[in-house]
Amino acid sequence: GIQVEQSPPDLILQEGANSTLRCNFSDSVNNLQWFHQNPWGQLINLFYIPSGTKQNGRLSATTVATERYSLLYISSSQTTDSGVYFCAVEPNSGNTPLVFGKGTRLSVIA
Amino acid sequence: DVKVTQSSRYLVKRTGEKVFLECVQDMDHENMFWYRQDPGLGLRLIYFSYDVKMKEKGDIPEGYSVSREKKERFSLILESASTNQTSMYLCASRSVNYEQYFGPGTRLTVT
Repeated sequence: GIQVEQSPPDLILQEGANSTLRCNFSDSVNNLQWFHQNPWGQLINLFYIPSGTKQNGRLSATTVATERYSLLYISSSQTTDSGVYFCAVEPNSGNTPLVFGKGTRLSVIA
Repeated sequence: DVKVTQSSRYLVKRTGEKVFLECVQDMDHENMFWYRQDPGLGLRLIYFSYDVKMKEKGDIPEGYSVSREKKERFSLILESASTNQTSMYLCASRSVNYEQYFGPGTRLTVT
């Protein structure tokens, strides 16, 4: 099945710094989403981005479907950005469950 | 806004009890999913459903069953809870070719 790899696995940032999280996937996809899991465990939708670029405040994401990767940019990080960021893809074979990467654990220090 | 709700945030049960975890979504989504999340193991799919009365096994269905009698409700059942089912349980729903949304999760402890 499709493989999803996220990097880096862990990241520590000083408040105000910028970061880039990467998601590589091994096959073509119908759907790609980025989620943030907060300290209480809830997964929050960040982006639905099977291709192209989107921005939402300090966060933006780019997916280059032909090269099978997606990037999540966090600018001017805040302590509330801490948590785990997951990339998930739906394989390009119809209505199938999302396949999740193992996540990037981000810690933003004041 | 899409809303996915789960019946409990925290639950403590005894070994051997039958446990019901309920999930309700309010956006008429066809697809619903149950995951469990454990440290170091990521999210693992237990069961999913594409329509009422339909169910499909995910990656780790052993020890679980599900019920989907109405489109908006997807229940996860632990027939006889065991300590290795202590975990965070996450429900999700999505419409075909659209975003998936998660509920707040249920932290289940089996003693």
